[in-house]
Amino acid sequence: GAVVSQHPSRVICKSGTSVKIECRSLDFQATTMFWYRQFPKQSLMLMATSNEGSKATYEQGVEKDKFLINHASLTLSTLTVTSAHPEDSSFYICSARIKDYGYTFGSGTRLTVV
Amino acid sequence: GQNIDQPTEMTATEGAIVQINCTYQTSGFNGLFWYQQHAGEAPTFLSYNVLDGLEEKGRFSSFLSRSKGYSYLLLKELQMKDSASYLCAVQDSNYQLIWGAGTKLIIKP
Repeated sequence: GAVVSQHPSRVICKSGTSVKIECRSLDFQATTMFWYRQFPKQSLMLMATSNEGSKATYEQGVEKDKFLINHASLTLSTLTVTSAHPEDSSFYICSARIKDYGYTFGSGTRLTVV
Repeated sequence: GQNIDQPTEMTATEGAIVQINCTYQTSGFNGLFWYQQHAGEAPTFLSYNVLDGLEEKGRFSSFLSRSKGYSYLLLKELQMKDSASYLCAVQDSNYQLIWGAGTKLIIKP
């Protein structure tokens, strides 16, 4: 149980375009979703916390106008990377807090901006 | 500031035992997690400690000492598939996860 489905797993986009990443909680309701970014050989860096029905909370240094987060329902949270640039190339992972198990993670999205 | 320290890389032999240490300094403490992450994949849950002592789960065990701000993950009977990064994460007083940089474990035959 407690599965988060994340799509797409890999995406290559041109510089200047936007990319949307979706995370769906399949068998539970996720009131809060955490969005992380991970550069090669580095740890997870929390970008923002999304709460269903309200505005996301962004970490210091993360541009909220560039990384748009929408959490319109209890089962879906999306991250849109707008006007992507090569430096945005990274591994993006969503995570939801599960009371008994801690946290469950999506499978991640490898974004490459060319 | 908040800080999680763990070794960058460790090497061990198949069939042996390895201990990965983690020390932390955080604003409050609401539990410590260990996750396994294979390259290019999302982390998977291994263990959770909130009270002092040893938690054993099959080949993996995790220990916590809150007074020392210290934890370790013990892996027994190492298998080649255990080659991965192991992430230590502490949940602070706001229930936010603070992540260590991860320890890359290399298993040699």
